[in-house]
Amino acid sequence: GAGVSQSPSNKVTEKGKDVELRCDPISGHTALYWYRQRLGQGLEFLIYFQGNSAPDKSGLPSDRFSAERTGESVSTLTIQRTQQEDSAVYLCASRAGSTGELFFGEGSRLTVL
Amino acid sequence: GENVEQHPSTLSVQEGDSAVIKCTYSDSASNYFPWYKQELGKRPQLIIDIRSNVGEKKDQRIAVTLNKTAKHFSLHITETQPEDSAVYFCAASIQGNTPLVFGKGTRLSVIA
Repeated sequence: GAGVSQSPSNKVTEKGKDVELRCDPISGHTALYWYRQRLGQGLEFLIYFQGNSAPDKSGLPSDRFSAERTGESVSTLTIQRTQQEDSAVYLCASRAGSTGELFFGEGSRLTVL
Repeated sequence: GENVEQHPSTLSVQEGDSAVIKCTYSDSASNYFPWYKQELGKRPQLIIDIRSNVGEKKDQRIAVTLNKTAKHFSLHITETQPEDSAVYFCAASIQGNTPLVFGKGTRLSVIA
C-alpha cells in the first residue's frame, strides 16, 4: 500500500473490555513496531517484529498487552481488560529492512472510560 | 536496555533565530541516531539521521552532531520559521539488533 494503515482510527471502550488494534505495514517492509503515545508525551516502545526473528516484547507494560504478526504482513495489538491508564494513541511503524527510516501510521486513539 | 534523555522539553525561539535540542543515550553500542518531527495531530516523520561513523551531518537548515565519547547528540535548526513549530524526538538504537528508543520530545515554538 501507499503507507502504513491503522484501524480503527478511534476506539472508545469501557474499562475491563478487550480491544484489538490493527496495523497494515507498507508492502515488503520486514520490520514493524508498536509504540504508545499518551497525550502530550513521548513515544513509548511496546514491541518490535523483524522478519522471522522472535519479536522483542521488552516494552510491553503488562501481560494484558500482546501482539501478533502474520509473516511480514498485518499485525494486531491486543489489550485485555483495559484500564483507564491504557488511554493513548497507539502508533504502528514499519521499515524496509533492519536499518533506515521508520514510516508511521496515523495511529489508533484509544479511550477507556 | 537503551535509555534516551532529551532536553529541553519546551523551547521557544524568535523567527530567524537558531534552535538546539540535545539528547544523551546510555548504550555505548548504539550506532544509529535519527530525529523525527511530529506536527500537531500528525504522525512522526524522519527529518534527519546520523550514524556513528560520522560526527556531523547537514541538510539545508538542519544539522545533527554526534559525540560518541560523551554519548550525546544534538539537533540544530538555523533560521527558524513558523512551520518549524512541532514536537521533535531524538532516538537511538543498534541498527538491526535493538528497537529504536525515543526521547520524550521537545516542543518547539517559533514565534513570528
